[in-house]
Amino acid sequence: DAGVTQSPTHLIKTRGQHVTLRCSPISGHKSVSWYQQVLGQGPQFIFQYYEKEERGRGNFPDRFSARQFPNYSSELNVNALLLGDSALYLCASSPVLTGGFAYEQYFGPGTRLTVT
Amino acid sequence: RKEVEQDPGPFNVPEGATVAFNCTYSNSASQSFFWYRQDCRKEPKLLMSVYSSGNEDGRFTAQLNRASQYISLLIRDSKLSDSATYLCVALGSNSGYALNFGKGTSLLVTP
Repeated sequence: DAGVTQSPTHLIKTRGQHVTLRCSPISGHKSVSWYQQVLGQGPQFIFQYYEKEERGRGNFPDRFSARQFPNYSSELNVNALLLGDSALYLCASSPVLTGGFAYEQYFGPGTRLTVT
Repeated sequence: RKEVEQDPGPFNVPEGATVAFNCTYSNSASQSFFWYRQDCRKEPKLLMSVYSSGNEDGRFTAQLNRASQYISLLIRDSKLSDSATYLCVALGSNSGYALNFGKGTSLLVTP
């Protein structure tokens, strides 16, 4: 079975530019989450979507936005890029989001973003 | 204070050794816990979920102590291939169902 896929794998952008990262979840999974991982740290939560609705948002500025499509794939958009946005952006999918008990999240290979 | 705190590491152990990682979490409302493994420049991969009764998967044993808000991972008979960063994770009860990761503990198993 195909795992979580992300595109592109690597990206180099200049400060002030905009970037769109894409994610396709595992077939049958309806929840997608986005995380940012900078070197030497654990992943930090950015957004979670379930059934095309935002279900959670981490402590990131409004320059970060996301959406989920009817086929459950997702996009993460970052505007006005800063040097500090350089990181590995990870997408994770999980099958069901139910009250209080969540299923494990499975990560894609990530998009490595470098802002110069 | 971070929601999940882990041993700083790194841990350097010889093949065949037993190694234990510890982790504490601050949000008493957290309901699910996991250990993920991350190889250099790769994505985190789920190693195991952690249940209140403790659970074992081959050489790996995970324990949860809700009263102390403490999670552990024990690796027996370490293999060279166990070398990686181990991430302790608590599922948040706010901000949706976000995974709250520790900083990770690096393990190097040497011949």
